[in-house]
Amino acid sequence: EAEVAQSPRYKITEKSQAVAFWCDPISGHATLYWYRQILGQGPELLVQFQDESVVDDSQLPKDRFSAERLKGVDSTLKIQPAELGDSAMYLCASSLGGVVGSYEQYFGPGTRLTVT
Amino acid sequence: EDKVVQSPLSLVVHEGDTVTLNCSYEVTNFRSLLWYKQEKKAPTFLFMLTSSGIEKKSGRLSSILDKKELFSILNITATQTGDSAVYLCAVFTSGTYKYIFGTGTRLKVLA
Repeated sequence: EAEVAQSPRYKITEKSQAVAFWCDPISGHATLYWYRQILGQGPELLVQFQDESVVDDSQLPKDRFSAERLKGVDSTLKIQPAELGDSAMYLCASSLGGVVGSYEQYFGPGTRLTVT
Repeated sequence: EDKVVQSPLSLVVHEGDTVTLNCSYEVTNFRSLLWYKQEKKAPTFLFMLTSSGIEKKSGRLSSILDKKELFSILNITATQTGDSAVYLCAVFTSGTYKYIFGTGTRLKVLA
């Protein structure tokens, strides 16, 4: 069964360092989402891509976060510099989206970030 | 502002009990409502609901949507300890094509 892949699964970094997360969506899925989930809360959308274009990044802290999906397939989310408050689970999800109109969303295993 | 509210926030039951989890929403351009189960990892998809009054069922889990009253319920019958998890509700909106999540209901099933 096709799955969304993410790496690394766990990351511990010191504040002010740079970190990067990678996501490979299910093959053929046009829409890719990055979420941040703080313990005890629901996922919060950071950025949404349709193919290689950003559809929504209104909640992305652009002074320190960046995201790209250059070829419309896999994606990278970067934080520089990391802050203590960035400690959270970072989830990537994908859906067929687009003109196909299927919006069942599937999540990857997530990257748990701890900033010390 | 679009919002999704889940209740209760947490729930403790004994094996064999039946539970009902609630999800209410206020969004523009509603498209569908999704339920997820989250253990100590990423959420796993349970159901997607788009039409009112049509129950979706999978084993001991079932869910229904009321688009007039703007809510959905998730029922779990004959609960088992393996049902212990956070259950997330998300609403998908057309226009922006994004999902808005509730904070989840934390269910603990005691043996």
